[in-house]
Amino acid sequence: DVKVTQSSRYLVKRTGEKVFLECVQDMDHENMFWYRQDPGLGLRLIYFSYDVKMKEKGDIPEGYSVSREKKERFSLILESASTNQTSMYLCASSLTGGPDTQYFGPGTRLTVL
Amino acid sequence: AQSVTQPDIHITVSEGASLELRCNYSYGATPYLFWYVQSPGQGLQLLLKYFSGDTLVQGIKGFEAEFKRSQSSFNLRKPSVHWSDAAEYFCAVGTPGAGSYQLTFGKGTKLSVIP
Repeated sequence: DVKVTQSSRYLVKRTGEKVFLECVQDMDHENMFWYRQDPGLGLRLIYFSYDVKMKEKGDIPEGYSVSREKKERFSLILESASTNQTSMYLCASSLTGGPDTQYFGPGTRLTVL
Repeated sequence: AQSVTQPDIHITVSEGASLELRCNYSYGATPYLFWYVQSPGQGLQLLLKYFSGDTLVQGIKGFEAEFKRSQSSFNLRKPSVHWSDAAEYFCAVGTPGAGSYQLTFGKGTKLSVIP
């Protein structure tokens, strides 16, 4: 079975802090994705990566950056956290760049105070 | 641009009753369509997907969905709902982007089940 793990289930940070959310997949998938999920808004794509060191902006990249130094690991970075970034963050991976199934991690609920 | 509409924000059904969750998409080319389920506090799990071929697709947990091109719909159905089906359901359309296919999700339908 594909396993996508996220470093924390719950995280509380202060406004202005730099925040790192880590995601690891164990199935040698090429593509990895970061979404945020808010009530009534569904899932919105922040960034994705289709190869090591490659990244593309999604629909809502403002205030975020990403890093993919190794194939299995994809990090989401909040350079200076703000209260409007309080949300559930979901990581996903897919085998190839085609219309493959995306496999999701359990999510990190981030609260910025 | 592509979009997905799930008209029902919240649906409540009795255990044992049938279920239909609606999904309409907007996309100019042949769509790749998915249904995911999210149990409370969990990530998303794939229920089923449609790429081509038979327009009636069978998935896990007894779910099925029917693709109707003329109606731009991909509705999810289950003949008899179990209490464990209470969750949030997301429809998504896969479209090509820079370097990778991307999923555009609907806003979800929350399903409550009355024992």
